Amino acid sequence: KNQVEQSPQSLIILEGKNCTLQCNYTVSPFSNLRWYKQDTGRGPVSLTIMTFSENTKSNGRYTATLDADTKQSSLHITASQLSDSASYICVVSAESTGGGNKLTFGTGTQLKVEL
Amino acid sequence: GAGVSQSPSNKVTEKGKDVELRCDPISGHTALYWYRQSLGQGLEFLIYFQGNSAPDKSGLPSDRFSAERTGGSVSTLTIQRTQQEDSAVYLCASSLTGDTPWPQHFGDGTRLSIL
Repeated sequence: KNQVEQSPQSLIILEGKNCTLQCNYTVSPFSNLRWYKQDTGRGPVSLTIMTFSENTKSNGRYTATLDADTKQSSLHITASQLSDSASYICVVSAESTGGGNKLTFGTGTQLKVEL
Repeated sequence: GAGVSQSPSNKVTEKGKDVELRCDPISGHTALYWYRQSLGQGLEFLIYFQGNSAPDKSGLPSDRFSAERTGGSVSTLTIQRTQQEDSAVYLCASSLTGDTPWPQHFGDGTRLSIL
């Protein structure tokens, strides 16, 4: 069964600090992986997408890494801001042609940035 | 519109009633997805539309759930004889094409509460 596990479940950090969120997956055959940010009461917004051949991808203060051998991904947030407080969701796609049911969603890491 | 629009944003209804949720995707987006997000759970795929047809409706949890899309645009998700376990946030997303399984842009969801 395809699964995506995220850790930690929740995290509190001080503004300006860095943090790293983890995603382990057992989706096969792997196609690509995406991190979403979901603010409270809003829909998820895509941050990065990574394919099998990509190890690192950055989007501003967000840097995602992927190790396809160990089936792990991380999302590193640098110099956190209060607006980074949100749920971060890891989503993994299995190789397929079309259709939405080949995506496996993690349950997310709830990040809170405090002053 | 500029983004995916969902209505109503909140819906409270009594057990056994029927509800209809609406999604207005980004103009020109041919692919449309419905997801359900329960508290503490990852997003659960419900159904995928390419144009007006639904090539994948494998995620609909029971025959009480149905969805349609007309004119390649607006979609409605209908839940008949609602049960308390139907309480969740229902998210709609759209993509420019159906070549990718990725929901590119999400709406802010309809929060459904069954009393």
